Amino acid sequence: EIVLTQSPATLSLSPGERATLSCRASQSVSTYLAWYQQKPGQAPRLLIYDASNRATGIPARFSGSGSGTDFSLTISSVEPEDFAVYYCQQRNDWLTFGGGTKVEIK
Amino acid sequence: QVHLVQSGAEVKKPGASVKVSCKASGYTFTSYGIGWVRQAPGQGLEWMGWISGYSGKTNYALKVLGRVTMTTDTSTSTAYMELTNLRSDDTAVYYCARGPPDTAMATFDYWGQGTLVTVSS
Repeated sequence: EIVLTQSPATLSLSPGERATLSCRASQSVSTYLAWYQQKPGQAPRLLIYDASNRATGIPARFSGSGSGTDFSLTISSVEPEDFAVYYCQQRNDWLTFGGGTKVEIK
Repeated sequence: QVHLVQSGAEVKKPGASVKVSCKASGYTFTSYGIGWVRQAPGQGLEWMGWISGYSGKTNYALKVLGRVTMTTDTSTSTAYMELTNLRSDDTAVYYCARGPPDTAMATFDYWGQGTLVTVSS
């Protein structure tokens, strides 16, 4: 099973700051990596698929990069509605999720 | 617009079974698959399996293999997930999500609202 390790566990930021979240895979997943956002009491929402493609309706401040084992999600300027938990997910070898990064208000 | 609407919360005793439904609308059900993902309280996301809306083919995660059955009713565009021999660690919110029709190795673009299943004696 491919293990996805997300860091940091918690990211404390002020609105307007840049956020960089990391996801590292235990073996290569090519570019078959997605990012989801989840707010309390809500279902996950797809942000990025195949490492760098924004899903429909996702603002341009969200961007994804990486390939192989190292990936990142960047929020160029954090908005108040972006405070949430973010999960990465690979689909190269079955399907697994990372443990999540919580982006909280500083 | 695409909607996945799930059935309501359930409370079950250990050893019982639960069947969660997921009714799809706003797209052609047989052109996509449905994945099931669960989330224990305060925990992360765990993939349980997938079913093709086109062929009915299924793939299940090893952790629940033998206890889970996923089915569809194409006449009502509804997917079902049944989990048997429930244990306390099956307590979770169960989500259905839309994926591709031909592979379990999917990205999920639309999700249901979730169904809380509580297993308690």
